[in-house]
This record gives sequence, structure tokens and C-alpha cells, in this order.
Amino acid sequence: KQEVTQIPAALSVPEGENLVLNCSFTDSAIYNLQWFRQDPGKGLTSLLLIQSSQREQTSGRLNASLDKSSGRSTLYIAASQPGDSATYLCASRGRRSGTYKYIFGTGTRLKVLA
Amino acid sequence: GAVVSQHPSRVICKSGTSVKIECRSLDFQATTMFWYRQFPKKSLMLMATSNEGSKATYEQGVEKDKFLINHASLTLSTLTVTSAHPEDSSFYICSARVSDLASGGVYNEQFFGPGTRLTVL
Repeated sequence: KQEVTQIPAALSVPEGENLVLNCSFTDSAIYNLQWFRQDPGKGLTSLLLIQSSQREQTSGRLNASLDKSSGRSTLYIAASQPGDSATYLCASRGRRSGTYKYIFGTGTRLKVLA
Repeated sequence: GAVVSQHPSRVICKSGTSVKIECRSLDFQATTMFWYRQFPKKSLMLMATSNEGSKATYEQGVEKDKFLINHASLTLSTLTVTSAHPEDSSFYICSARVSDLASGGVYNEQFFGPGTRLTVL
């Protein structure tokens, strides 16, 4: 059974810092991995989607990497801003048994201080 | 990109009543949809997989008779919380898997709805 863990659970940094959020998954047989942002009381905003055949994806100040062999993904946020404050979730979509469901990580609550 | 809507976005009900939440894929067909539940400051937990034209598949520990799922068309799945109690108060999010080849590059990808906040008094 796939388990997804995120470290750290919470992070508070001053504006301008570069950040690394970590996501670990136990089953490397994944179809893809996706990073989301969730603001308090709101739904999910998809940030980056990495297919199993890819190593990384980039969008603006965000870069996500995927290493299936070690069961890890990282989300790199460059030059953090107060507007980046939110909870970041990673989710892996399994490949076994034809399943399409996403398993979500525990989340990292990020606060960027002005 | 593909859009998924949920209705209502927020609902408050009395204990003992039933509440229906709709999940719609607006511009694509979805033979498979998923329902998630999120408790405050917690991550999303998959409740069930909704299959068009057949019974839903529930995750371990989720009460089938409590959370009724109907996927009657290729663009609509509904989650009914029956005899709701305060402990059912939560944020419910659905996702839909693109199943029509005409959608091109997003075929087989999933898109998430904006969520429904349920408060049971």
C-alpha cells in the first residue's frame, strides 16, 4: 500500500530564501507525481505534474524533481515571497492494478515572513 | 485546461439530515471520479472511487451506507452524506479522470474540483 510522507510538516522562513520541500513515497511503481498548493479553506491548485518517465518539471520559480528509485520528490521554491505562504501537498498516482487514484502526502505548511 | 466543478461550495445542515454534493466535469467525459475528505489541517484522504454505470469502490474504513455515491452519467458523480452528524463536518473534494480521447493531451489525467465545505450542526 502506497504511503506518502512530507518533510518538514511546517516551515517558517524570511522572504527571499530558497526552499526545498520533500516528499517520500514507498511504492516506486507510480504513474506520476503531482505537487499542489492549498490556501486555507480553499481547494487545490496544481503546481507541477511529473510523469514517471520524467526527472523534473519547472514553472517560474518552482522546480520539482522526481527520483523513483529512491522514492523521493522535491519541490524547490526560489526567492520565496509572502504570497507563497500556503500548504503544499504532493500526491502520487499508482500504477499497480490499473488504479488511477492519487495518494496524498501529509503536507508542508509554509509561512514566508515579510 | 479541463474544469471540474462542485456544488454546493458550502453547506450547513442540521444533524440527522442528508446532504448531496455534486461533482461535474464541465468540458470532458469522466468514467472515473474520486471523492476525498479533508479534516482541518490534515491531508486529503481518499474515500471512494466512483465508476460510471457501476458501483463505487470504497476505501477501507469508509461506510458505504453512510456515504452514498452515484455516477449516473459521464460528467456527473454525486456524494450523499446520509443522516449527517457533526463528526461528518469536513471539506469534501472530488477529482475526475479524463476518459475521452478527444481531449488530446490531457487524456487520462485527473483534475480536482474546488471542494465543498460541510458543516453539520
